[in-house]
Amino acid sequence: GENVEQHPSTLSVQEGDSAVIKCTYSDSASNYFPWYKQELGKGPQLIIDIRSNVGEKKDQRIAVTLNKTAKHFSLHITETQPEDSAVYFCAAINNDMRFGAGTRLTVKP
Amino acid sequence: EPEVTQTPSHQVTQMGQEVILRCVPISNHLYFYWYRQILGQKVEFLVSFYNNEISEKSEIFDDQFSVERPDGSNFTLKIRSTKLEDSAMYFCASEGGQSTDTQYFGPGTRLTVL
Repeated sequence: GENVEQHPSTLSVQEGDSAVIKCTYSDSASNYFPWYKQELGKGPQLIIDIRSNVGEKKDQRIAVTLNKTAKHFSLHITETQPEDSAVYFCAAINNDMRFGAGTRLTVKP
Repeated sequence: EPEVTQTPSHQVTQMGQEVILRCVPISNHLYFYWYRQILGQKVEFLVSFYNNEISEKSEIFDDQFSVERPDGSNFTLKIRSTKLEDSAMYFCASEGGQSTDTQYFGPGTRLTVL
């Protein structure tokens, strides 16, 4: 089955800096890669996603890149703000969705 | 904006008791899911449900778990005889309508087994 690895487990940046979170997946048949943001006590909320026929997607300060050959994908957050602080999960979908272990992002004001 | 809702927000039960966790998916969605998140750990897939039957299930989803869509709006997860290690957040998600592949999560039910 699919195995998703996510790094780093924790990330601390200064407000205004960029943050990058990386994930790798094992199942080459996976074709959809969402990123979720989870704030304390809440369910995961989709922030951006990318499908396997696309290499990059951007939505304002958030971008995701996908390298199908290397089976890795990354989340990029630019101009980080304190409200970006949360746990971020990557996921990969073939028949079911498998999550990475999460990255706790802290943005220091 | 439509959203997935779950009840209760917190359930406390004794080991060996049955619990039913309830979810109301987004109304025009066709695919439904349950996930589990043990405190501080990753979100784990339990089961997916489509057309009134289970379409995928993980190794976690053993015989003590069952799912049901008893009417047109609710989607339930039943744990027949709870164990201490079932303590976790349980998230329901739904997918479908105009945006396929995108799963929308509910706020979760925190299950505590004593």
